[in-house]
Formats: sequence, structure tokens, C-alpha cells
Amino acid sequence: DTEVTQTPKHLVMGMTNKKSLKCEQHMGHRAMYWYKQKAKKPPELMFVYSYEKLSINESVPSRFSPECPNSSLLNLHLHALQPEDSALYLCASSRDPVGLFEQYFGPGTRLTVT
Amino acid sequence: AQSVTQLGSHVSVSEGALVLLRCNYSSSVPPYLFWYVQYPNQGLQLLLKYTSAATLVKGINGFEAEFKKSETSFHLTKPSAHMSDAAEYFCAVSRTGGGNKLTFGTGTQLKVEL
Repeated sequence: DTEVTQTPKHLVMGMTNKKSLKCEQHMGHRAMYWYKQKAKKPPELMFVYSYEKLSINESVPSRFSPECPNSSLLNLHLHALQPEDSALYLCASSRDPVGLFEQYFGPGTRLTVT
Repeated sequence: AQSVTQLGSHVSVSEGALVLLRCNYSSSVPPYLFWYVQYPNQGLQLLLKYTSAATLVKGINGFEAEFKKSETSFHLTKPSAHMSDAAEYFCAVSRTGGGNKLTFGTGTQLKVEL
């Protein structure tokens, strides 16, 4: 099973709301990632978790807060977002946090901030 | 720092014709290279990867790519295009050192015409 699942598929939230995105994998992967993808653009890395510890934060605004409760689960908590944060949010995982191993992507959560 | 350049943001081919999507990389160390495909409103799916084992890499759905160090290229080809190949294609590079940071090219939209 090479599946990464993400919920919800779609999310509409106001600028004062608090919401969370969820990502799950059961492949025993020890690295998990959050990407942001705007329309017609490549994915942009936001965060990397390596063995459940945050290893890379690509200078993401604090209104995005990642969390890795266990090796299978990755959350992205959202608070006080701006309309420009509307995008497709992709989760990915890889066997190990080194460049050799490919990343497996989930289907994404389409976020709209109103 | 490593990067990839995809020549041609849009490529159009006839069904049954050769598909050639170009990718050139820049890296100070031997790179790991990947091709991903993204269908509308979906996540990214790995087509193939180069990890220095063999220069000609075969992937899924009849795609293959050849790593050419002298040309710093990793072009994606398929002998005969099918309508179902219409999608966005991303070339990506990661480092052989520690840290699984994937850097994507800007993408190529492939259109397949009857």
C-alpha cells in the first residue's frame, strides 16, 4: 500500500477561523512533508518532519502550525489565514529523510480562505 | 544549491506520437532526479527516479528517462502518446547528502490531440 490520505478534500474558512488539515500514511515512512501549491505552479515545501521531529521550516508564517503526533499522522493547524493562503495543500511521505527516497503524495486539500 | 529547468511550459503532441519533455539540472553534487505527473485536482504521482544506478530509467505508463551527465539533462520520453497522458509533468531534484529537500521545476503541461 503506497497511499497517503488527506482530509478534508475541500475546506472553506474565514480569516478568523481555526481549522486543521490531516494527513495519514501507513507505509512505515519516517519522513513527512507539507507543501503548498498555487494554481499552475509547482509545489513549494513548507515543513519537513523527520522521525516525528520538525527538521525543516521554510520560513512559513506562524499562522500555519504543523504537528506530528505519531509516525503515521501529520497535521497542519490553520489560524487567522489570509486570502492569499488559498491553495492546494499537499502532504507527502518518504521512507527516510534523505534524498535517495522518493516522496509519495496525497491527493491534497483544496483550501479557500474567504 | 540544486535546481531544475524545464524547457517548454506547454507541449502538444498528436496521439501516437513521441512525447519528449525536457529537464536540465544544476547541482554541485551528484543529484537524485525524479519525474512526477499531476492530473487535474489530484496529488503528484511518481513516474520514475534516477539514483545513480542506471542512466536509462524506466517508469510507469511506458515512460522512460535518460540521465546524461555531460548535458546535465534528464529528459522524459514516451514512444507513443495516449490521450490519458494529458497532465502536468514536474521534474524534481534532491541532494545526495542529508535532508530530503525536493526542488521542482516549473512544470510542463502536456496536451495530447487526436
